[in-house]
Amino acid sequence: QKEVEQDPGPLSVPEGAIVSLNCTYSNSAFQYFMWYRQYSRKGPELLMYTYSSGNKEDGRFTAQVDKSSKYISLFIRDSQPSDSATYLCAMKYNQGGKLIFGQGTELSVKP
Amino acid sequence: GAGVSQTPSNKVTEKGKYVELRCDPISGHTALYWYRQSLGQGPEFLIYFQGTGAADDSGLPNDRFFAVRPEGSVSTLKIQRTERGDSAVYLCASSRGLAATGELFFGEGSRLTVL
Repeated sequence: QKEVEQDPGPLSVPEGAIVSLNCTYSNSAFQYFMWYRQYSRKGPELLMYTYSSGNKEDGRFTAQVDKSSKYISLFIRDSQPSDSATYLCAMKYNQGGKLIFGQGTELSVKP
Repeated sequence: GAGVSQTPSNKVTEKGKYVELRCDPISGHTALYWYRQSLGQGPEFLIYFQGTGAADDSGLPNDRFFAVRPEGSVSTLKIQRTERGDSAVYLCASSRGLAATGELFFGEGSRLTVL
């Protein structure tokens, strides 16, 4: 079993839709939870991070962490064609710098 | 530019050959990471450096893989006796310290193809 599980999609939605992306994980020692966005043939870039449980909002993006269920989510409101990319969840222990990534979900937002 | 620079961007080699991939991190970033990303997969951790020393090399798949960062800046990932299964995009990232927020700055990767 992988430490971090993510549905690879692909996910296709119309412009303006609300998108929900999710990851589950098995190790309760993870303390930091991140969402990265990766455009084709580019390196990943950080979208949002959350420490421990809770919600965090940044513009059209909301990240949620439920440590009791070992489940994290990213919501994108009013999705735009420019949001079309692969979204990677990532997690980190309290100590050390290593990030563990999910498989990534490929999102396509159609105009 | 001010970002992480990786060379070469593409490398095609034959099975059994030796390959070096170079990473030039953002100036002032003390931590440097190597990841490997296969098609349709997320980045897989290989090794990270804090300064000149490897702080965690638990992701290196076997002893054909080796990485160095002799002066605490540029890093080289070395792969000996390449195999077809080594074909992937090798991503380098850097961060200030150990990036408590999880913010790593990635380069665009070196795409390795082993024929």
